[in-house]
Amino acid sequence: EAGVAQSPRYKIIEKRQSVAFWCNPISGHATLYWYQQILGQGPKLLIQFQNNGVVDDSQLPKDRFSAERLKGVDSTLKIQPAKLEDSAVYLCASSYIGTNPDTQYFGPGTRLTVL
Amino acid sequence: DAKTTQPTSMDCAEGRAANLPCNHSTISGNEYVYWYRQIHSQGPQYIIHGLKNNETNEMASLIITEDRKSSTLILPHATLRDTAVYYCIVRVRNNDMRFGAGTRLTVKP
Repeated sequence: EAGVAQSPRYKIIEKRQSVAFWCNPISGHATLYWYQQILGQGPKLLIQFQNNGVVDDSQLPKDRFSAERLKGVDSTLKIQPAKLEDSAVYLCASSYIGTNPDTQYFGPGTRLTVL
Repeated sequence: DAKTTQPTSMDCAEGRAANLPCNHSTISGNEYVYWYRQIHSQGPQYIIHGLKNNETNEMASLIITEDRKSSTLILPHATLRDTAVYYCIVRVRNNDMRFGAGTRLTVKP
């Protein structure tokens, strides 16, 4: 079974530029999550989708971050404009709707460096 | 508010059992205990979870005390590839995955 795919793996941009990350979840997983992991800390949830609807985006900085999952499969997370403090690893996870709480499976992450 | 308390770091000799403790003294009756680990430069990997009973799978065993206020993750025969940060998480809902700083386990030859 293929795991959660993310791209790119690494991205370096200058502050005030825009960046987008892509995630393809495990086939059949209706729930998709985006996390931010700052160096030395555990991951922090940014947004949760179920199919193509947002379940929780309470910790998403909506003035600069946006995310979509238009067809209920893959998802894109965008930052516009980026700030220095956005340097982090952005992790995507997916889970199957069947139990509550679910078991989340993570992708390898995208490491963003903002200069 | 921290829901779990874990030691910052631990060492273990290769081939020996690694016992990672977690304190969750304020756990509610419907909260599960989940364990994930994160190997350097990778995403977190699910290990095991439980509610009340001890659990075992191909990766590890989870021992939950009778009062459910603490638990121990056991890696029966640690290898160098088990070197990672181990996270203990208590959760009841799907969007309640709150990671702390975890325990950095170093397996030494």
